[in-house]
Amino acid sequence: DAGVIQSPRHEVTEMGQEVTLRCKPISGHDYLFWYRQTMMRGLELLIYFNNNVPIDDSGMPEDRFSAKMPNASFSTLKIQPSEPRDSAVYFCASSPFRTGVDTQYFGPGTRLTVL
Amino acid sequence: RKEVEQDPGPFNVPEGATVAFNCTYSNSASQSFFWYRQDCRKEPKLLMSVYSSGNEDGRFTAQLNRASQYISLLIRDSKLSDSATYLCVVNDGSSTLGRLYFGRGTQLTVWP
Repeated sequence: DAGVIQSPRHEVTEMGQEVTLRCKPISGHDYLFWYRQTMMRGLELLIYFNNNVPIDDSGMPEDRFSAKMPNASFSTLKIQPSEPRDSAVYFCASSPFRTGVDTQYFGPGTRLTVL
Repeated sequence: RKEVEQDPGPFNVPEGATVAFNCTYSNSASQSFFWYRQDCRKEPKLLMSVYSSGNEDGRFTAQLNRASQYISLLIRDSKLSDSATYLCVVNDGSSTLGRLYFGRGTQLTVWP
């Protein structure tokens, strides 16, 4: 079975540009998570969804960040406008209903560089 | 105070060595505990869950001390392929609508 799919794998953009990251969770999983990882701060939860509904967005840094999950098989994380401090690896993860948030399967990540 | 604290290392050990990692967590309500492994420039992957009675998976042994809010991972007979960053992970007490907290990770390098 396919794991969590993320696109693009690498993104280089200039400050002020809009960036959209995409995620396809594992089929049948009810939870979807967006994380950001940097050397300074480690792995941080940005937002997560349960059955397409946002549950906890307290980790979203500021209004420049937004996330949507229009259906069970697709989610986006948008940054507008992007800033150099947004440079990081962004991971999407999903988990099934039977384990709740506890057993998360991560995608390969999107490495974002904002110049 | 961070929810999960780990010694960042790095730990550099020869093949065949035994190495132990520790972490502490701050939320006494945490109910689920894990070790994840992250290879360089890759995603985190679940290594093993940690149970109160302690559990073993081959060369890996995990232990939990709820009273001290302390989790450990022991790797015996280290292999070159064990080189990675090991993340200590705890939940916030709810599996249904809670969240996981990840430690910053402990870096291990096993040399020949």
